[in-house]
Amino acid sequence: QMQLVESGGDLVKPGGSLRLSCAASGFTFSDYHMSWIRQAPGKGLEWISYISSSGYTDSAESVKGRFTISRDNAKSSLYLQMDSLRAEDTAVYFCVRIMVGDYFDLWGRGTLVTVSS
Amino acid sequence: QSALTQPASVSGSPGQSITISCTGTNSDVGNSNYVSWYQQHPGKAPKLIIYDVTNRPSGVSSRFSGSKSGNTASLTISGLQAEDEADYYCNSYESTSAYWVFGGGTKLTVL
Repeated sequence: QMQLVESGGDLVKPGGSLRLSCAASGFTFSDYHMSWIRQAPGKGLEWISYISSSGYTDSAESVKGRFTISRDNAKSSLYLQMDSLRAEDTAVYFCVRIMVGDYFDLWGRGTLVTVSS
Repeated sequence: QSALTQPASVSGSPGQSITISCTGTNSDVGNSNYVSWYQQHPGKAPKLIIYDVTNRPSGVSSRFSGSKSGNTASLTISGLQAEDEADYYCNSYESTSAYWVFGGGTKLTVL
């Protein structure tokens, strides 16, 4: 079946770096645009980064210049390089598939990133 | 980007119908056919329940329906069941900034 599995979440100090990974299976990964969406503890959802099937990227202002999204279609994998981490980046990070029509139809279970000294 | 506005909570009894509103602007909800809704149970990933304002993915109950008028989208759940108790989020593509924006979420309590 189609699934997305995130990994890489951890406890990191402010100013530190972390790389999240997302392994896709059950569908042709290279055909789809992908995103990362996060959810701070007890809070709502926040879209943070997007990559097209061909590699065009964009990010929310809250992470622009600090987070970098990338993909490896040969490995059916999505990545999020997170630098200069702040306490407010503490959240569960979801890997998400985008369908034509700009909606998010397949979600991973999420990986927790905690930024604290 | 500014979040879309949803009520913080709604409640209803089993069998009743409830409606959750999602108010944006003419740069997002009012100018988009791409409004979607997501259901999230505690500790779980969100699940798509409505896309393109009114469409239901395969496998989603027909008790869920979506609509839009002007800058406000709505999710209606009819015949409330205990399993519907969850958080619900609306989402729209925002054309000015080229971002996706979510509502703040609505907690549905089935009494």
